[in-house]
Amino acid sequence: GQQLNQSPQSMFIQEGEDVSMNCTSSSIFNTWLWYKQDPGEGPVLLIALYKAGELTSNGRLTAQFGITRKDSFLNISASIPSDVGIYFCAGANFGNEKLTFGTGTRLTIIP
Amino acid sequence: GAVVSQHPSWVICKSGTSVKIECRSLDFQATTMFWYRQFPKQSLMLMATSNEGSKATYEQGVEKDKFLINHASLTLSTLTVTSAHPEDSSFYICSARPLGNYEQYFGPGTRLTVT
Repeated sequence: GQQLNQSPQSMFIQEGEDVSMNCTSSSIFNTWLWYKQDPGEGPVLLIALYKAGELTSNGRLTAQFGITRKDSFLNISASIPSDVGIYFCAGANFGNEKLTFGTGTRLTIIP
Repeated sequence: GAVVSQHPSWVICKSGTSVKIECRSLDFQATTMFWYRQFPKQSLMLMATSNEGSKATYEQGVEKDKFLINHASLTLSTLTVTSAHPEDSSFYICSARPLGNYEQYFGPGTRLTVT
């Protein structure tokens, strides 16, 4: 099935740095979700976006719903060790129960 | 809130046996639950959508007779891997969607190893 393209595929940063990642689609979505997955665990919902142009924060995390409805962005400020993991975006449309997932961005913090 | 549990968290079984995995929404009712499979370093692959009281809808390429899904109540869905083979070894994750909500909340996953 369709997958959303996430960029970058992986990131190696130092603690304290800010992080930016994005998710793009060839088709529009009405809802964008961002999840974080730790090794051996299920994904945890971080932020949900419902309106084009919407900017939503959750602590040090900020996500935006692209104005074209074909992309979304996630920023993490002042990264800490527990931010390590894989971040997935997911898109959904009204009337369709399924989520379309992104390919994931793996975040690693260099000591 | 929005907690989903899975049981067992890991299981090892012999080839040819069947394994049942339970998915429960602990603090909300879920008319729809989803079952995913995840291979190492890959994204989640949807296997089937499970609606309470009706038959599950399987994604293309997923054998419904091999992966039996039962959604008997608004808080419980089960996935049974029948006649398991080593190639069925994987990480299986369920999610639950509260009524009227597009967000999905995931369980912690079940690691299945078939020997």
